[in-house]
Amino acid sequence: EDQVTQSPEALRLQEGESSSLNCSYTVSGLRGLFWYRQDPGKGPEFLFTLYSAGEEKEKERLKATLTKKESFLHITAPKPEDSATYLCAVRGSGTYKYIFGTGTRLKVLA
Amino acid sequence: DAGVIQSPRHEVTEMGQEVTLRCKPISGHNSLFWYRQTMMRGLELLIYFNNNVPIDDSGMPEDRFSAKMPNASFSTLKIQPSEPRDSAVYFCASSPLAGAVSGANVLTFGAGSRLTVL
Repeated sequence: EDQVTQSPEALRLQEGESSSLNCSYTVSGLRGLFWYRQDPGKGPEFLFTLYSAGEEKEKERLKATLTKKESFLHITAPKPEDSATYLCAVRGSGTYKYIFGTGTRLKVLA
Repeated sequence: DAGVIQSPRHEVTEMGQEVTLRCKPISGHNSLFWYRQTMMRGLELLIYFNNNVPIDDSGMPEDRFSAKMPNASFSTLKIQPSEPRDSAVYFCASSPLAGAVSGANVLTFGAGSRLTVL
């Protein structure tokens, strides 16, 4: 069964303090791994798609990487506006289902 | 494009009442998904449609839940009768046709409908 586990559940950082969020996954034939950002009271907002091990994507202070078992979302020199819940999802082959992890709640303090 | 549009944004109802949540997907998107989000369980897939046809409803918790997609621009999720444990945020998401043999497509989510059942 396809499964996604995210860690840590919550993370508090000082502004400028870089860190990484982890997404471990089990899937039959990865079709895509997705990172989303969710602000309170809003729907998840797409950040990145990764398709194969070794792939990396960057956007501003965020960088996503992928191995055969996990993905990392690296946050470099975060700012308070980066505070949000970050969700990871996978889609396997032969299915239309997107399976989400429970997310990491990130708080960046000024 | 206005994105995925959901209504109502908030619904407070009493146990036993019927609840109908509505979704308008992005024009041209052929796949539509209903998710439920709670603190304990995160985002759970309830049902998804391809070209207005329900493909998998195995995530629908019980017979009190039903979903329809009468045309490409409208879907409903109905709970009848509602119970307090149904309280959650319900999200609708759409994507270009999520073909099993094609690459993965990005889901675009609506703002959600927050349901409170008293």
